[in-house]
Amino acid sequence: AQTIHQWPVAEIKAVGSPLSLGCTIKGKSSPNLYWYWQATGGTLQQLFYSITVGQVESVVQLNLSASRPKDDQFILSTEKLLLSHSGFYLCAWIQGGAETLYFGSGTRLTVL
Amino acid sequence: GQQVQQSPASLVLQEGENAELQCNFSSTATRLQWFYQHPGGRLVSLFYNPSGTKHTGRLTSTTVTNERRGSLHISSSQTTDSGTYFCAIDLTNSAGNKLTFGIGTRVLVRP
Repeated sequence: AQTIHQWPVAEIKAVGSPLSLGCTIKGKSSPNLYWYWQATGGTLQQLFYSITVGQVESVVQLNLSASRPKDDQFILSTEKLLLSHSGFYLCAWIQGGAETLYFGSGTRLTVL
Repeated sequence: GQQVQQSPASLVLQEGENAELQCNFSSTATRLQWFYQHPGGRLVSLFYNPSGTKHTGRLTSTTVTNERRGSLHISSSQTTDSGTYFCAIDLTNSAGNKLTFGIGTRVLVRP
């Protein structure tokens, strides 16, 4: 069975501090991976997607970056957090050519 | 303008009532999907329905692509149906599956 794991579950960080959020998918080979961001009470916005290791496409510029160092790992990071980065970050995967998008349980980020 | 519009923005139901959530999109898009977000944040896929009608339990998804609209029908609502329902469209048809989400419909089902 496929599993998707996100870490950490929640973070409280200071403005200007660095951030690294992680996502791993087990049980699937070469999935398409995605990062989504959701402001409190808002809709979901796709940030990045990756079809293969080492390749990441940016969808929205929010002073964040993403990397895919391994087939089953997707990392979201920034060197300097802004207040506007607060929100809920969701990792998702889909098998290429498939229909259903599966989401992780998310990381709730509060920037103070 | 907004590419994916959902209505209503919120809905309060008495347990047992039916509800219909609407999704209108601005282009001849494909890959219409419905997602449910638990109050705690977890997001699950309900339907992938590019056209036609699909049923799962008490939920029915109908998509009329040439009229650029979709709907999600909840029958005999239960308190566990409370949460937010999102409609999402792939406006690019690209390999990257760039889904654009609507603002969601917040549903509260009272016992």
